[in-house]
Amino acid sequence: DAKTTQPTSMDCAEGRAANLPCNHSTISGNEYVYWYRQIHSQGPQYIIHGLKNNETNEMASLIITEDRKSSTLILPHATLRDTAVYYCIDPSGGTSYGKLTFGQGTILTVHP
Amino acid sequence: NAGVTQTPKFQVLKTGQSMTLQCAQDMNHEYMSWYRQDPGMGLRLIHYSVGAGITDQGEVPNGYNVSRSTTEDFPLRLLSAAPSQTSVYFCASSRGIDEQFFGPGTRLTVL
Repeated sequence: DAKTTQPTSMDCAEGRAANLPCNHSTISGNEYVYWYRQIHSQGPQYIIHGLKNNETNEMASLIITEDRKSSTLILPHATLRDTAVYYCIDPSGGTSYGKLTFGQGTILTVHP
Repeated sequence: NAGVTQTPKFQVLKTGQSMTLQCAQDMNHEYMSWYRQDPGMGLRLIHYSVGAGITDQGEVPNGYNVSRSTTEDFPLRLLSAAPSQTSVYFCASSRGIDEQFFGPGTRLTVL
């Protein structure tokens, strides 16, 4: 099965941009890439999703490479409250109809 | 809107006991799912539903039953609890390819 690959952990200084990479080399042409995060032991929280164009919302930006084999989630001005586990969702598991396939995610630590 | 609610928040069971984890949503979402999260791991899909009366298995369905008689409710039944089912259980709902909304979780310990 295809899987996403993310760094296990990353650090970021408060106020700086956090750039979280994800490889999804076997993504198919009609699969969306989704990003979620989980703060402490709370339920995961949706961040953003995209198909092939770059996307931006009030939380983050998503940059998808032209070949769609990788993407980068950008938190433009990270705060301490952004410390969380960030999941790039494995699109091969199917991201529609209530089905998400979570990997291990990246532990992002934002420090003062 | 209350969003996705789950009860109970915590539960301790003995091996062999059965119980039902409750999940409800008030957003009129067609799609609902159950996940479990073991310590240090990502979430794994147990069962999901694409509408009232329609359910299907996810990645780890053994030992769990679900039914969906209404749009709002999607209970998860543990038939005979085992220590391997000690986990945090999350329920989620969505309209489809849009974002999923997750509940706060139920922390289950099986002794």
